[in-house]
Amino acid sequence: DGGITQSPKYLFRKEGQNVTLSCEQNLNHDAMYWYRQDPGQGLRLIYYSQIVNDFQKGDIAEGYSVSREKKESFPLTVTSAQKNPTAFYLCASGMGGGYRDTEAFFGQGTRLTVV
Amino acid sequence: GQQLNQSPQSMFIQEGEDVSMNCTSSSIFNTWLWYKQDPGEGPVLLIALYKAGELTSNGRLTAQFGITRKDSFLNISASIPSDVGIYFCAGPYSGTYKYIFGTGTRLKVLA
Repeated sequence: DGGITQSPKYLFRKEGQNVTLSCEQNLNHDAMYWYRQDPGQGLRLIYYSQIVNDFQKGDIAEGYSVSREKKESFPLTVTSAQKNPTAFYLCASGMGGGYRDTEAFFGQGTRLTVV
Repeated sequence: GQQLNQSPQSMFIQEGEDVSMNCTSSSIFNTWLWYKQDPGEGPVLLIALYKAGELTSNGRLTAQFGITRKDSFLNISASIPSDVGIYFCAGPYSGTYKYIFGTGTRLKVLA
């Protein structure tokens, strides 16, 4: 089955630690995305990647880093520089801005809690 | 960053009632997407619209691509308790790989 998989579902981090969230897709999509969602809020774009070895900052990139070494994978690292990392993180993939087949599909999310 | 404006922000309805919500933008979109998010889960795609004026159904859900290409509408008929969740509209910026999401409409159904 084609899809997008995030792991883990729940993650706990001590203050001052870096942590990496995994995202893998087998939909053959060119583009991948990371969003942050806070309680009762919408989705805010952290980073996105249109192609392997290339990525762009979204609206709230500070304190986060990404890599795109393979088309299927787009891991997100939440660094100690992120002052308020507790949130729900969503990964998505899609083909982007054309006139057809432009749907984005989401993983099941990772809930990160700083303890 | 830019967002799409959805209304209403939240709504309580009785089971069996019809629901309407809309999404507006100051920019033109070539595609409108509607998602539903259950608590603690990722958003799931409900309907995709590709042409101005297009009306598309998915079961009890019907969505329309506005003629101006700056808005879209989602209707849910005969609501049931499992319709509870957050509904998001979204669209890709034309010619880019970047998706913009609406602020969400939170639906609560009273049995």
